[in-house]
Amino acid sequence: NAGVTQTPKFRVLKTGQSMTLLCAQDMNHEYMYWYRQDPGMGLRLIHYSVGEGTTAKGEVPDGYNVSRLKKQNFLLGLESAAPSQTSVYFCASSYSLLAGVDEQFFGPGTRLTVL
Amino acid sequence: AQSVTQLGSHVSVSEGALVLLRCNYSSSVPPYLFWYVQYPNQGLQLLLKYTSAATLVKGINGFEAEFKKSETSFHLTKPSAHMSDAAEYFCAVSAGAGKSTFGDGTTLTVKP
Repeated sequence: NAGVTQTPKFRVLKTGQSMTLLCAQDMNHEYMYWYRQDPGMGLRLIHYSVGEGTTAKGEVPDGYNVSRLKKQNFLLGLESAAPSQTSVYFCASSYSLLAGVDEQFFGPGTRLTVL
Repeated sequence: AQSVTQLGSHVSVSEGALVLLRCNYSSSVPPYLFWYVQYPNQGLQLLLKYTSAATLVKGINGFEAEFKKSETSFHLTKPSAHMSDAAEYFCAVSAGAGKSTFGDGTTLTVKP
């Protein structure tokens, strides 16, 4: 199993450009998440999905959109990139047999720079 | 509402010394607690988790954590540090899917 994979690994954008980050998981997990990680701020949840066709906002959703058309894929879109979106983006997935036990499996991250 | 506080953004120990990384939480429901480790340029991976089965939880790589409800703490320990333990460690509390809160992280440095 590849686990959670993310594409691309690195990207540089100019302000105002758009892009889509792709996350794929092969563990048949129901739940998927997008986080951003900034120095000294830990992980902040952008959006998440509790199943195919569903999405929900997290802590910092502004400027991002997501889609979960297939169970194994979770896409994160930036419509008009801003320098404040320079960050490392992590995708994660989980499958909770027991409610609340949200053990997450993480991808390797995408390092995005917006100039 | 829930929150996690990791005391000390940087911890430095000598190789062979005790590792103690502190985590305090607040939660309005019985918490599920986790420690994750992040090596440079990698994603997070689970070290151990508390799901109310036992208060002392053993994880991978010789780490363990003890859940203390009275102190609302879930500190991570390892008796003897190795150079390979150098990484960033995150404590997290969960109340369900989409309801995980991560601490700000503690960077562990191991000196030879």
